[in-house]
Amino acid sequence: GAVVSQHPSWVICKSGTSVKIECRSLDFQATTMFWYRQFPKQSLMLMATSNEGSKATYEQGVEKDKFLINHASLTLSTLTVTSAHPEDSSFYICSAYSRTTVRDTEAFFGQGTRLTVV
Amino acid sequence: GIQVEQSPPDLILQEGANSTLRCNFSDSVNNLQWFHQNPWGQLINLFYIPSGTKQNGRLSATTVATERYSLLYISSSQTTDSGVYFCAACSGNTGKLIFGQGTTLQVKP
Repeated sequence: GAVVSQHPSWVICKSGTSVKIECRSLDFQATTMFWYRQFPKQSLMLMATSNEGSKATYEQGVEKDKFLINHASLTLSTLTVTSAHPEDSSFYICSAYSRTTVRDTEAFFGQGTRLTVV
Repeated sequence: GIQVEQSPPDLILQEGANSTLRCNFSDSVNNLQWFHQNPWGQLINLFYIPSGTKQNGRLSATTVATERYSLLYISSSQTTDSGVYFCAACSGNTGKLIFGQGTTLQVKP
């Protein structure tokens, strides 16, 4: 299957600072990537759709100014958590499709990033 | 948007037993996937199965699209099968996979 890589795997940051998480498609080009968040013992919740060369689209209730998404190339999307607070501590995970179309095809996920804000 | 429900929420098995996990979805789908989330959080792709039946070793899955459900079968369960199993579905052209709440499986030796 296609490989999606996230970096870092885990990060601890101080309250008020910003953290950048990278999501790369290693062996294919991804015009669209997705970002999810998972709190302990809960399911994955879709945060936003990252579109190469254009603005991300955010799900209802997700603050776009807090979670900045940049998709500057066909293999890289970044999620920046700005002015992080302890309630932003969570597991963040990205996904991508290995084909240009997102319809009728399989999605692959990165290994996730565990963010702890202290 | 599409709703995805999984059952049961928790399942405890003795090693060697068989199990069936269910996923119901509220709309027609062009993508349905089953995942196993390992203890480190990584999602392992098990099946891409918007319709039909597939088998991979001790695991198999069936999706009946017309009745809007999918089943994941685990046979001869092993302790390494323990973890959370997620079903996720997408309807339309957005590519957005919506996840169910998961089934937490514990296989005891």
